[in-house]
Amino acid sequence: NAGVTQTPKFQVLKTGQSMTLQCAQDMNHEYMSWYRQDPGMGLRLIHYSVGAGITDQGEVPNGYNVSRSTTEDFPLRLLSAAPSQTSVYFCASSRTGTKNIQYFGAGTRLSVL
Amino acid sequence: TQLLEQSPQFLSIQEGENLTVYCNSSSVFSSLQWYRQEPGEGPVLLVTVVTGGEVKKLKRLTFQFGDARKDSSLHITAAQTGDTGLYLCAGSTGANSKLTFGKGITLSVRP
Repeated sequence: NAGVTQTPKFQVLKTGQSMTLQCAQDMNHEYMSWYRQDPGMGLRLIHYSVGAGITDQGEVPNGYNVSRSTTEDFPLRLLSAAPSQTSVYFCASSRTGTKNIQYFGAGTRLSVL
Repeated sequence: TQLLEQSPQFLSIQEGENLTVYCNSSSVFSSLQWYRQEPGEGPVLLVTVVTGGEVKKLKRLTFQFGDARKDSSLHITAAQTGDTGLYLCAGSTGANSKLTFGKGITLSVRP
C-alpha cells in the first residue's frame, strides 16, 4: 500500500530553472494539496484540489502552478525557481470533509542556488 | 486567515516527566487535528477532535478541544524518548478539507 508518493526526494536547482515535483496517491482520495515547510513557519498551503480538473490557491501560491488531470496525480510546477523557494515540500491527500485524515508524502527537499 | 498559535515553541524534558502543550486561536474551528512529524518524514495524524469540550486519549497522550472550539491542548504523561518530534496542530473551518497549520512545537525527551 504505497499511500502518497513524492518524487524526487532531493533536488538542487539554479535560479531561473524550472522543474516539476511529482505527487501520486493510490487511495482514490478526492482532495490533494501541496504545502511548503520552512523552519519556524509550520506548514503553509500552496495549492489544493478537491477533484480532477479543479484547483485553487492556498496561502502562498505565487511562483507555483498546479494541475489535476487525474484523481491520482497532482504535480507542482516551479516555472522559474528563486532562492526564496528553497524549502521542504509536502504533498497530502484525503477524502473530502473536515474530519478526514490527511495523508502526507515523505517530502521533497529543494534547494535553489 | 485563521491563525493557530502553538506554545511553547520548544520544549526539552527528561524521560518520565509530564508535559502539556497548547494550540490557541481567535477563530472557531469545526475540527482540529494534531500531527506528529519526525525528521525526514511527513506529518502523521495523531487525533481529530470535533466537539467542544471533547477529550480523547491515545495511550499516554490526552487531547482536549476547548468548549468554544478555539483552542486545544495535548498532555503527555510519563514522556518517553520516542515522543520526541515536531507536534503540529491544524484546524479546519469550512466544508472542505483545507487545513490551517500552527508553526509547531519541537519536543525533545532526554533519556
